[in-house]
Amino acid sequence: EEQLVQSGAEVKKPGEFLKISCKSSGYSFNNFWIGWVRQTPGKGLEWMGNIYPGDSDTRYSPSFQGQVTISVDKSISTAFLQWSSLRASDTAIYYCARRFYDPGNWYFDLWGRGTLVTVSS
Amino acid sequence: DIQMTQSPPSLSASVGDRVTITCRASQTVYNYLNWYQQKPGKAPKVLIYAVSNLQSGVPSRFSGSGSGTDFTLTISSLQPEDFATYFCQQSYSNLTFGPGTKVDIK
Repeated sequence: EEQLVQSGAEVKKPGEFLKISCKSSGYSFNNFWIGWVRQTPGKGLEWMGNIYPGDSDTRYSPSFQGQVTISVDKSISTAFLQWSSLRASDTAIYYCARRFYDPGNWYFDLWGRGTLVTVSS
Repeated sequence: DIQMTQSPPSLSASVGDRVTITCRASQTVYNYLNWYQQKPGKAPKVLIYAVSNLQSGVPSRFSGSGSGTDFTLTISSLQPEDFATYFCQQSYSNLTFGPGTKVDIK
C-alpha cells in the first residue's frame, strides 16, 4: 500500500528549532516530487514547496522561501520540513503529499495525515 | 501569484440534490485546475484533475468543467459521504488553492 506517514504533533516555544518528517512506503520514493502544504483556519491551504528525492532539487513558494527548509534522506525514504526559529504564526497543520505530474498540470495524489505544530509561549 | 476564489463559501443541501461549486482564477490557468475534497480531521483527497478528469476510484457523480479562469465542480446526486469541504487548486503558476466551499446537511 502506498502511504506517507508523518511524524507526530509538536508543541514548541517561539524561537525553537523544529524538524518534522514524512516517510514514504509502497512506491518508488526517488521518482516522485514530495510537497509540503500548510493549513490554517485563516489562510486555508498553502503550498510551501516541493523536493525531488532523486537529486534533492527543491522549489519553494515565494511566500515560504527563506522561512523553512525542505530536505530528504533517500536512504530512509523520508522527507523533512524544518524551521530554525519558530514563530507563533507557524502554528498550523502541515501535510506532506506526493506530486503527480500530468503533462503541464500537477496535483497531489497521495497525502500524509498531517502534523499539527503548535507554537506558544 | 494567481489568486483563486470559490463560491459559495458554504452551502446546505440534502441527499440527492445536485450541487454546483464555482472556482475562479485571477488570470488564466488554462486547464491546470484540480479539485479536492476534505473531511474534518483528514487530509485533502484529489477528486478531479485537469478540469474534468476523474481520479481513479472517485464516483462518477463528481464531474468538472470549465476553462481559462472559470471552473465548476458538480455533484450530480449528493450522498451522505459527500458532506465535506471542497477546494480548487491551480498549477499553472506555482500552486495555489481556493478558500474552500463547505457542503453541509440541510
